Amino acid sequence: TQLLEQSPQFLSIQEGENLTVYCNSSSVFSSLQWYRQEPGEGPVLLVTVVTGGEVKKLKRLTFQFGDARKDSSLHITAAQTGDTGLYLCAGARNQGGKLIFGQGTELSVKP
Amino acid sequence: DTGVSQDPRHKITKRGQNVTFRCDPISEHNRLYWYRQTLGQGPEFLTYFQNEAQLEKSRLLSDRFSAERPKGSFSTLEIQRTEQGDSAMYLCASSWAGNTDTQYFGPGTRLTVL
Repeated sequence: TQLLEQSPQFLSIQEGENLTVYCNSSSVFSSLQWYRQEPGEGPVLLVTVVTGGEVKKLKRLTFQFGDARKDSSLHITAAQTGDTGLYLCAGARNQGGKLIFGQGTELSVKP
Repeated sequence: DTGVSQDPRHKITKRGQNVTFRCDPISEHNRLYWYRQTLGQGPEFLTYFQNEAQLEKSRLLSDRFSAERPKGSFSTLEIQRTEQGDSAMYLCASSWAGNTDTQYFGPGTRLTVL
């Protein structure tokens, strides 16, 4: 059972375009993390969102946690080739320290 | 840089052999996690420790898998009698017990079972 569904799974865009990646669940999470992973490497933490409705910005990246803490989105403005990679959302639940990951969104930004 | 480190980065083994991986967490972190990631998927939780105590194990962790963290610092993950289905990236992460949601990952160990 995939508790966290990410969409789209694959995204290929031109440099300078905007994009949004979605992470949805029917379950409530105490927090949600976004990671970026490059081939052959471990995931690198981008942000943690904790409060329902919270919006966090990291340069050209904007992260939002849904009001009900069941979903999240990542918006990238004016994508650059360096944004290419696998974007993973991961949710934490109150009963334990483990993270539950979505299947990832593979982003390719072409020059 | 004192991030999470893992050794080896790559391991190729034959089916039936035993393999052991090591993880060194961020020094002040008392929680340590193991995840497994197969191609095209997000990481899946295997087990985690708080200090030396193993607090949870996933059903994915069959009896061929064993993890230890004897002194509450580094951890090892051993796979006995490897199978081709064990081929994956094995990821280690660490966090503070007071902020378990924010986990920092190591570079992973890529296991290939021939």
